[in-house]
Amino acid sequence: GAVVSQHPSRVICKSGTSVKIECRSLDFQATTMFWYRQFPKQSLMLMATSNEGSKATYEQGVEKDKFLINHASLTLSTLTVTSAHPEDSSFYICSARPPQGGKNTDTQYFGPGTRLTVL
Amino acid sequence: AQKITQTQPGMFVQEKEAVTLDCTYDTSDPSYGLFWYKQPSSGEMIFLIYQGSYDQQNATEGRYSLNFQKARKSANLVISASQLGDSAMYFCAMREGAGGTSYGKLTFGQGTILTVHP
Repeated sequence: GAVVSQHPSRVICKSGTSVKIECRSLDFQATTMFWYRQFPKQSLMLMATSNEGSKATYEQGVEKDKFLINHASLTLSTLTVTSAHPEDSSFYICSARPPQGGKNTDTQYFGPGTRLTVL
Repeated sequence: AQKITQTQPGMFVQEKEAVTLDCTYDTSDPSYGLFWYKQPSSGEMIFLIYQGSYDQQNATEGRYSLNFQKARKSANLVISASQLGDSAMYFCAMREGAGGTSYGKLTFGQGTILTVHP
């Protein structure tokens, strides 16, 4: 299957600082990427949809000024957690969908995730 | 109302036996897709199998098959010949709609932890 990378895999930061997480599609161009958040032993919750060249679409209850998303190219989307606080500690996972028109275009491929710990 | 429901928080199976993980969904959209993902303790989400709402046959991928009962709105995952490496969290997910800029976003179920015993 297609490969999606995320960096960093793990980050620990102090309260009040900002953290940037990168999501890259390595072997396909992704016009759309998605950012999810997962608390321990819970399900994945969609935070926002990132579309290349346009503003991200945020899910209800997700603060767009808190979680900045930039989809600058067809292979890269970034999530910046601004002024992070301990309650932002979570597992953040991105996914990317190949462009429509191919055989498995309905399939999403996930990155390995980033574990954020805010002290 | 929950769009995706997985009623089994945990399941146990003996190695080499088959196991069924339940998933029911709720949508009024005629076009949708159903997915199963495996999440081991490392956290990565591994795509297992996909079923489109218009697919006539049940999807199969190696040891994985999806028992798609459209009228009952269920999409159970069947794992045949379980292996120790199958122990993980399993998520059922649904994609609604047929297009648009948010096309592809998934709604996940609560997950089922599968433990395979030797």
